[in-house]
Amino acid sequence: DAGITQSPRHKVTETGTPVTLRCHQTENHRYMYWYRQDPGHGLRLIHYSYGVKDTDKGEVSDGYSVSRSKTEDFLLTLESATSSQTSVYFCAISDAGGQARGTQYFGPGTRLLVL
Amino acid sequence: KQEVTQIPAALSVPEGENLVLNCSFTDSAIYNLQWFRQDPGKGLTSLLLIQSSQREQTSGRLNASLDKSSGRSTLYIAASQPGDSATYLCAVVGGGANNLFFGTGTRLTVIP
Repeated sequence: DAGITQSPRHKVTETGTPVTLRCHQTENHRYMYWYRQDPGHGLRLIHYSYGVKDTDKGEVSDGYSVSRSKTEDFLLTLESATSSQTSVYFCAISDAGGQARGTQYFGPGTRLLVL
Repeated sequence: KQEVTQIPAALSVPEGENLVLNCSFTDSAIYNLQWFRQDPGKGLTSLLLIQSSQREQTSGRLNASLDKSSGRSTLYIAASQPGDSATYLCAVVGGGANNLFFGTGTRLTVIP
C-alpha cells in the first residue's frame, strides 16, 4: 500500500469552529488531492496540489483552504465548519498529473461530523 | 461538466459467477479511466487504469474495457469470490483540468 496517512481519523466539532485535517505521504509524489465523499454524490475534488506551495481549486472548494509547505504534507482547513461539511474526507496522491495522470492512491479517510 | 454513471447501484451474485459492472460518462474527451474498489469504512484501492489510447487492461481475474466513442467502460470479474464483495467505483480524468470525476459506485455482494 502507498504510504499515506490521514489525521485525525475521526473528529466531531461544532458549527463555526476551525478544523484542520492533515495528509502525510512517504512516497515523495508530486501531486496531492483532497476529496469529500457523500452519499449520492460520489467523491468530489476539493483542492489539489501540484507541488510545494502550488495549489488549485477543485469542484467544491468553497469554505475550504489548503496549504502545502512540504512535499509530504497537505493540509485541508475548514475556516468555519458548517453542518454541510459533515462528510468523509479522503486524501490522494499521484506521481503524474495533467493529461498523463497516473494512478491515484488514497488514504484511509477522515470522518468529520459537524454538529 | 462530466457526468459519470454506474448502474446498477447494487448487485448480488452467487460465488463463482462471472459478472460485468458498467460505467458510462457523458464527455468522451477523457484522458484516462480508472476503476477502484472501496471496502466499507476504508479508502479506495486502485484496480485498473486505462489510458485513452487503450481499449482494455487486465489484472488477474479483472478485465476493464474502454469505448471512448460511446462513453462506456466495463469491469469484468471472472469466477467471483466472497472476498470480491465491495463497492466498485469508476472515475475519469478529463475536462482539461486536473480533475477526477467519480461515479457513485456499484455495491457488489458475492454470496458463498
